[in-house]
Amino acid sequence: AQSVTQLDSQVPVFEEAPVELRCNYSSSVSVYLFWYVQYPNQGLQLLLKYLSGSTLVESINGFEAEFNKSQTSFHLRKPSVHISDTAEYFCAVSPRGGYQKVTFGTGTKLQVIP
Amino acid sequence: EAQVTQNPRYLITVTGKKLTVTCSQNMNHEYMSWYRQDPGLGLRQIYYSMNVEVTDKGDVPEGYKVSRKEKRNFPLILESPSPNQTSLYFCASRRLAGDQETQYFGPGTRLLVL
Repeated sequence: AQSVTQLDSQVPVFEEAPVELRCNYSSSVSVYLFWYVQYPNQGLQLLLKYLSGSTLVESINGFEAEFNKSQTSFHLRKPSVHISDTAEYFCAVSPRGGYQKVTFGTGTKLQVIP
Repeated sequence: EAQVTQNPRYLITVTGKKLTVTCSQNMNHEYMSWYRQDPGLGLRQIYYSMNVEVTDKGDVPEGYKVSRKEKRNFPLILESPSPNQTSLYFCASRRLAGDQETQYFGPGTRLLVL
């Protein structure tokens, strides 16, 4: 069994400030890790993913996440947020070779304040 | 344009009245899945399908049925809807080719059961 914990349901941050959205997971097997973003009234879009290799993964819009196996974490960071980053962010995990069983966290709403 | 479509996008119905939410993808993906999204609970998987005529239960299958008669379509059926099925529903699809494949989500169907 696997689970994902996103402790922060809402994170307000001023524009151009840095932000970190926390994600911790639990699994008895090796996993893949994902961050999805949901803009208002839209479906989910993949932001970035960790499958293997370098533990630091980056997205095209400036977000990055680091896989930390010892702390079972996959926190999402951005050094300077923009108003357009206002959205809900979901962390997700699936077992290696078992992508059909994706488990999502409860989501973190990022509110960027101008 | 590659996409996952859902219909209807919004639906208000009454308890016990059978309904179907359609999902279609034009990417020739083998894998399709249904999720429901509820505040504070994130996304939970209802059913998934690995290919035509192959379906399996997710984490919250009770009260739902699915079918996969064609590769492109994966309808979600509520035989006797109840108010606790009021939710936001997402369909998703992906290729089976490998772990690196991305899951694509539809725009969502907002359902209210009175």
